[in-house]
Amino acid sequence: GIQVEQSPPDLILQEGANSTLRCNFSDSVNNLQWFHQNPWGQLINLFYIPSGTKQNGRLSATTVATERYSLLYISSSQTTDSGVYFCAVEGGGADGLTFGKGTHLIIQP
Amino acid sequence: DTEVTQTPKHLVMGMTNKKSLKCEQHMGHRAMYWYKQKAKKPPELMFVYSYEKLSINESVPSRFSPECPNSSLLNLHLHALQPEDSALYLCASSQDASGSYNEQFFGPGTRLTVL
Repeated sequence: GIQVEQSPPDLILQEGANSTLRCNFSDSVNNLQWFHQNPWGQLINLFYIPSGTKQNGRLSATTVATERYSLLYISSSQTTDSGVYFCAVEGGGADGLTFGKGTHLIIQP
Repeated sequence: DTEVTQTPKHLVMGMTNKKSLKCEQHMGHRAMYWYKQKAKKPPELMFVYSYEKLSINESVPSRFSPECPNSSLLNLHLHALQPEDSALYLCASSQDASGSYNEQFFGPGTRLTVL
């Protein structure tokens, strides 16, 4: 199956800082999603981005499918950005998502 | 509306009990999924239903039995579970089982504790 690696595993930043989270995957994909998991376990959709670049407020993401990686950018971090960020990919139609191990982000005031 | 609902939110059961987890979506999605997430681990796929038929079973023990009564509902029947089955169970759905747009939307999960 597809392998997904996320880095860094942990990241501690001060409020207002910028960060870049990386996701590498081992094979071609037709679905790549970034999620933020809140403390109650809810997976919040951030981006559906199998290729290209998208922006949503302080967050943006880029996927370079030919080089098999995706980046999530968080600018001007806020304490509410704290949590675990997952990258997940799907190789074929309705195969289900394979998740990376996540990046645990802590934003300190 | 991109909402997937799951009931119950929390469930505590003994190893001899039979219980069911329920998931519902009203987005007209034709693929539905069950994932299991242990503490401090990523979610792992258990089952995929495509057009109400089981299409993927990721070698899940038979004490977990999925059911898709119709295109909006997905159940997970639990029987004779073990304490190591304690986890967060997440349901998800996506628009089209075979199309190019398969963004998945997740429910809030059921937190299961097996005593």
